[in-house]
Amino acid sequence: GQQLNQSPQSMFIQEGEDVSMNCTSSSIFNTWLWYKQDPGEGPVLLIALYKAGELTSNGRLTAQFGTTRKDSFLNISASIPSDVGIYFCAGPVSGNTGKLIFGQGTTLQVKP
Amino acid sequence: EAQVTQNPRYLITVTGKKLTVTCSQNMNHEYMSWYRQDPGLGLRQIYYSMNVEVTDKGDVPEGYKVSRKEKRNFPLILESPSPNQTSLYFCASSPRSGLDTQYFGPGTRLTVL
Repeated sequence: GQQLNQSPQSMFIQEGEDVSMNCTSSSIFNTWLWYKQDPGEGPVLLIALYKAGELTSNGRLTAQFGTTRKDSFLNISASIPSDVGIYFCAGPVSGNTGKLIFGQGTTLQVKP
Repeated sequence: EAQVTQNPRYLITVTGKKLTVTCSQNMNHEYMSWYRQDPGLGLRQIYYSMNVEVTDKGDVPEGYKVSRKEKRNFPLILESPSPNQTSLYFCASSPRSGLDTQYFGPGTRLTVL
């Protein structure tokens, strides 16, 4: 079945650094979703991407829908301690708007 | 306050003892979904519901049942829990589909001995 692979699995960075993470699949996706999970909480949607090549920003976060439609990227600029958490990519299985698949997550730790 | 509530938040039980985890939302959302979260595996969808009386399997439905008799409630039923169902469970809802912003509940940590 479809799978989403996220890398890196974890990152430990200094406050103020920029962060890049990605999500890849062997299958084509027509929507990419990026969620963040704070420690002890449920995930929260950060950015949704609907078109190949699309670049969308949300504050210090920027996400891109890869042109091959098999990957997506999330960048965080000038990281701060509250960026700590797990970042998940997700997408609809075979275009089904109800059935979703998530990546295994990228855990981000920020050192003040 | 708009929210998704889950009960119980923590549960320790024994193999084979039927249990239900409730999920309720007060936002009149059509779409609801259940996920389990395990270390290194991310979130995996168990079941989802596009509307009342409409439910469908997610990625890992084995060993679980759901029902959607009314819009606000989407209980998760484990008829005969096993230790491999020990996990953190999240319920979520959104206005129309999984592609909308999903609002997640606080999670239920289940341990099956």
